[in-house]
Formats: sequence, C-alpha cells, structure tokens
Amino acid sequence: EVQLVESGGGLVQPGRSLRLSCVASGINFDDYAMHWVRQAPGKGLEWVSGISWNSDSVGYADSVKGRFTISRDNAKNSLHLQMNSLRSEDTALYYCVKADVSSWDTAHFDNWGQGTRVTVSS
Amino acid sequence: SYVLTQPPSVSVAPGKTARITCGGDDIGTKSVHWFQQKPGQAPVVVIYYDSDRPSGIPERLSGSNSGNTATLTINRVEAGDEADYYCQVWGGRSDHWVFGGGTKLTVL
Repeated sequence: EVQLVESGGGLVQPGRSLRLSCVASGINFDDYAMHWVRQAPGKGLEWVSGISWNSDSVGYADSVKGRFTISRDNAKNSLHLQMNSLRSEDTALYYCVKADVSSWDTAHFDNWGQGTRVTVSS
Repeated sequence: SYVLTQPPSVSVAPGKTARITCGGDDIGTKSVHWFQQKPGQAPVVVIYYDSDRPSGIPERLSGSNSGNTATLTINRVEAGDEADYYCQVWGGRSDHWVFGGGTKLTVL
C-alpha cells in the first residue's frame, strides 16, 4: 500500500520560510515523479510544483516561482518543498502527490497524502 | 493561460445519472483526469486518461472527452457519491498542470 506522509506545516509570519517534507512508503520511490498540490481554505486544488524521478527536471506554478524550491532525496524516500518569502495567499493545505511515471510533466497523479497545513499570518 | 471550467454545483436524486462537465479550449486533444474529494479527505483519482478507471472505482463512474468538453458520468448515483469533483489536464509548458474549479455533487 502506498503511503505518503507530509510534515512541516504550521503557523508562520509573512516573509518567513518553511520547509515541508513528505516521506513515501510502499513504492520504489525513485521510479516516480512527485508533486506538491495545495488547497486554500474552502477553495479548489492548485498545482504548486513537480519534480522528476532523478531531480533533473522541475516545474513551478507562476504563483510560487522564485520563492519555492522542490527537491527530493531518493535514498530517504523523501520529497521536500522549501518555501521562502511566504505570503498570506500561500495559506493552504499542502498535499504530497505521486505521479504514475518518472516525469512530472506527463501522465497523472495516482496517490495523495493527507496534507500538511500552512498558515501564513502575523 | 489554459482554463478549465466546471459548474460549481450539480444536484441529482439517488438512482439517477449525474453528469459533471469540464470545459476547455480543444480539451478533446488533451488527456483529462478526474478526482473525487469528500469532506475532510484528500482527493482520489476516479478517472484518468479520459476514461480509464483505477481499481476499486465502481463501473458506475465513467469519463468521456471530445471537442471542448470532458464529462464525468456517474450512473445510479448513491449518497456516498456526494463530494467535490475536479478535472485536470496538462496545460503545456507554460500552464503546467491545470485544475478545474471543482463541482460539488449533491445527492438529493
């Protein structure tokens, strides 16, 4: 059974940083691309970032480009999202999501974690 | 930018058929994926590549895609189908992954 467990969320002031993590189990982690998707309170889904199986290729939504950095450690089956210069509009539940192939820019999202909540407020 | 348009809400009586649409420019040329999200839960893929169903998803759920509209059809709707449904496509190198705004399915 695939399990994706996020951590690292919390309350942070605008302009500060936060690092999210996701640990995967039940899969050969380095076979698959991974993504972060967020959902603001009462709102829809927004893709944030994706990374290929070997970290060679990454992508970001325009709303976070230049502020967020996605990375992975295949030896530790972990995915990370470094979030800098946080804004109130970054407040959301952040989901770690597995792709069904090794590239982030194709195929589909087949497994989701339960999410970690980020609140940006002074 | 590529935009996916879904109706905010669809209501249907138990046992009837629900159709949730997802509109986009020439969406028929793209692969559409559908996610179901129940309150307080993470999304779950229910249809991928327009019409494929993951194991464990009932055959009552089906998908189609042509022209400017993709459709998720739920036959013999049950109370347990009540959820938010989102469509998604790869919008290309500039738009990346795009989600529709979501449709709240209410079972009357």
